[in-house]
Amino acid sequence: DTAVSQTPKYLVTQMGNDKSIKCEQNLGHDTMYWYKQDSKKFLKIMFSYNNKELIINETVPNRFSPKSPDKAHLNLHINSLELGDSAVYFCASTGRDTKGYTFGSGTRLTVV
Amino acid sequence: QKEVEQNSGPLSVPEGAIASLNCTYSDRGSQSFFWYRQYSGKSPELIMSIYSNGDKEDGRFTAQLNKASQYVSLLIRDSQPSDSATYLCAVNADYGQNFVFGPGTRLSVLP
Repeated sequence: DTAVSQTPKYLVTQMGNDKSIKCEQNLGHDTMYWYKQDSKKFLKIMFSYNNKELIINETVPNRFSPKSPDKAHLNLHINSLELGDSAVYFCASTGRDTKGYTFGSGTRLTVV
Repeated sequence: QKEVEQNSGPLSVPEGAIASLNCTYSDRGSQSFFWYRQYSGKSPELIMSIYSNGDKEDGRFTAQLNKASQYVSLLIRDSQPSDSATYLCAVNADYGQNFVFGPGTRLSVLP
């Protein structure tokens, strides 16, 4: 079983559309994250979330919103997509007793 | 703003040589340091973690940490073509388990 799974793997959409990316982890971790990796491979944190607290990177446009129906899921919803949103989005999770992150396989978003 | 810096590379080394990857960080209070390897088109995978000053060895990999100089490095001995990847340095920020990543160094091991 995949530890951190993301869907879809690829997403091509037009400017102005609204889209969602889903993430699920079966590791029992209590904190999940969304990272954006641009064309230069720079990984930047967008959100971190556990049961109690959502921390938002202040540079993230409010068109991006995380939604967590439960501890094992953290979805990313994006409104009014722009060309600059094209990137690979990684979901990750970590637990209190784990080292580092476990990453999902990534979602390559292309806005045309 | 917490920053983590790495040389972007590419760093090219011949097969069998030692590859040395460097990382500096700005937050003197950082406590946890990680190296991730990312193959093209794949997700980052954790290869080393280090928390205390000095060296930590795991197989062909050695992580070195010097908190006074705010410097962490990764040495890869007997480099193999399969080590060709981007290596990301990650340092914990001061707000729990969140990490700041460096821009990565692209390593190319030439057969």
